[in-house]
Amino acid sequence: NAGVTQTPKFQVLKTGQSMTLQCAQDMNHEYMSWYRQDPGMGLRLIHYSVGAGITDQGEVPNGYNVSRSTTEDFPLRLLSAAPSQTSVYFCASSGRSPRAPYEQYFGPGTRLTVT
Amino acid sequence: LAKTTQPISMDSYEGQEVNITCSHNNIATNDYITWYQQFPSQGPRFIIQGYKTKVTNEVASLFIPADRKSSTLSLPRVSLSDTAVYYCLVEMDSSYKLIFGSGTRLLVRP
Repeated sequence: NAGVTQTPKFQVLKTGQSMTLQCAQDMNHEYMSWYRQDPGMGLRLIHYSVGAGITDQGEVPNGYNVSRSTTEDFPLRLLSAAPSQTSVYFCASSGRSPRAPYEQYFGPGTRLTVT
Repeated sequence: LAKTTQPISMDSYEGQEVNITCSHNNIATNDYITWYQQFPSQGPRFIIQGYKTKVTNEVASLFIPADRKSSTLSLPRVSLSDTAVYYCLVEMDSSYKLIFGSGTRLLVRP
């Protein structure tokens, strides 16, 4: 049981390039989310999904696209990278646990730098 | 989603008890109070969640007064490894959208 996995761990892009950050979970969770965290700040919600085929916007969705074709995978696409998107990106999935109605499990993060 | 307010930073020493208070004046009837811990270069990790009164697990306790407008995370006998950022969030019992504030940076000194 790997939990939430993210690839790549590090990425450097040039302004205007596009790329996809991968996220996968093996806990059969319905809910998955993407957050970004800028240095010294809290996490901000980008997009989330309540199940395969269903996605919605979070606090800071501009410049990002998502899709959810399977329960396991929730990729995040940067359409045209900008320096303002330099950040650490966390993927999370949530499901009922013995400790909480909905406990969120976070991946290790992808550190993205846009030059 | 209810907004939370918590201290920006706190200092403590090894072996002491640390209490971090969070204010959530607009908490709704169905909201739970949840705390996450984040170490540098890692994703947040669930610590504890409660709805009312007191909840205790192997890591921490959570105290919630009757009006539920605030809550206190209590970490007993902290060690250096408890140095981290602690986030207080409120969420509905079926919520999957977490809105993080800036958190409380706890520094535990030898």
